[in-house]
Amino acid sequence: DQQVKQNSPSLSVQEGRISILNCDYTNSMFDYFLWYKKYPAEGPTFLISISSIKDKNEDGRFTVFLNKSAKHLSLHIVPSQPGDSAVYFCAASALGTYKYIFGTGTRLKVLA
Amino acid sequence: DGGITQSPKYLFRKEGQNVTLSCEQNLNHDAMYWYRQDPGQGLRLIYYSQIVNDFQKGDIAEGYSVSREKKESFPLTVTSAQKNPTAFYLCASSIGRTPLHFGNGTRLTVT
Repeated sequence: DQQVKQNSPSLSVQEGRISILNCDYTNSMFDYFLWYKKYPAEGPTFLISISSIKDKNEDGRFTVFLNKSAKHLSLHIVPSQPGDSAVYFCAASALGTYKYIFGTGTRLKVLA
Repeated sequence: DGGITQSPKYLFRKEGQNVTLSCEQNLNHDAMYWYRQDPGQGLRLIYYSQIVNDFQKGDIAEGYSVSREKKESFPLTVTSAQKNPTAFYLCASSIGRTPLHFGNGTRLTVT
């Protein structure tokens, strides 16, 4: 049972435009969500997180939105840059646990 | 310079052999994790440890074993019972419920 789902395996966006990556979850006990960026043959790099007490968090070009009623979060990258081309993973953790569950990833390609 | 070191980066083994992947951190993090990455399946949790001398099974622990004798170290043994051991293995650590900090991974190939 996939508790964290990223239904779009890939996404292509023109440089300078907005990239929107989506993530859905099924476990209502999840209260902490993270986004990671990963290049081939490297470990994932943390981008941004959000707690369930908030519905938006921004860090520079990256903004994460959380819709708890829909059990949905999204990562917005504005403006997109060629260096943003990578695989993006969302992850979630439930209150009281140290266990992080990851989605299957979305490959973003930013076209110059 | 703090971080997580996974060694070696590439590892080759014959089927039927056990192999141990190394993970060392100098971040003074309490929790450590092992994930496996396969194409199209994202990162799947194998084992995690919140404190020394304690660890819990993740979602795909069968065929793997771990130990946590020191805070800095969390080695993963891939046993011959693991049916599909060829994969990219990632070690991570965290302090409390903070974002995971990952190593650069070990690619294991079993033939």
